[in-house]
Amino acid sequence: AQKVTQAQTEISVVEKEDVTLDCVYETRDTTYYLFWYKQPPSGELVFLIRRNSFDEQNEISGRYSWNFQKSTSSFNFTITASQVVDSAVYFCALSEARSGNTGKLIFGQGTTLQVKP
Amino acid sequence: NAGVTQTPKFRILKIGQSMTLQCTQDMNHNYMYWYRQDPGMGLKLIYYSVGAGITDKGEVPNGYNVSRSTTEDFPLRLELAAPSQTSVYFCASSYSPLRDTPYGYTFGSGTRLTVV
Repeated sequence: AQKVTQAQTEISVVEKEDVTLDCVYETRDTTYYLFWYKQPPSGELVFLIRRNSFDEQNEISGRYSWNFQKSTSSFNFTITASQVVDSAVYFCALSEARSGNTGKLIFGQGTTLQVKP
Repeated sequence: NAGVTQTPKFRILKIGQSMTLQCTQDMNHNYMYWYRQDPGMGLKLIYYSVGAGITDKGEVPNGYNVSRSTTEDFPLRLELAAPSQTSVYFCASSYSPLRDTPYGYTFGSGTRLTVV
């Protein structure tokens, strides 16, 4: 069965600190996609990254970086030099891509990040 | 290109009332989904559709109904609203993960529903 666990419910940091949001997933499929979404206080879901199961390269986008490790079924997200605007709820999500797949996204519970000035 | 449009953005219902949440996409996506978001619970799938005329239940379908008469529209119907249906509802659409790239989801801006 699919499952995504974000064990950190809330994280509070001071601006300019680095912070890592953890994501652990479970799936029996060999082909799947992992996602991170940001939900700012305004409420919309903002797409951050998609990673397929065959691409274990880490990715960096500005202050954001992602560490995908299939060996530990983890897809962690790090914000370097955090800013107040990073304050949001962050969701990790999983979608299987096997034949007949319905494309359903399974979300983690979310991690609320508060960045204090 | 509007993406996924949800209406209304906010609604207050009385217990026992019914309503339809509208969702329209203009990207010709075959796959559409309804999720609800409760505090601290992430998003849970209510219903989904893999094409016009095809719908199926997700994780939390009780109290809801859907229809998919066209590729563009995927309305969510609440019958006999209950306080437990107070939530934020998101509609989303996507390509087929096997046939189309880039594969991803487009979400609507959400509907905040309160049942009192």
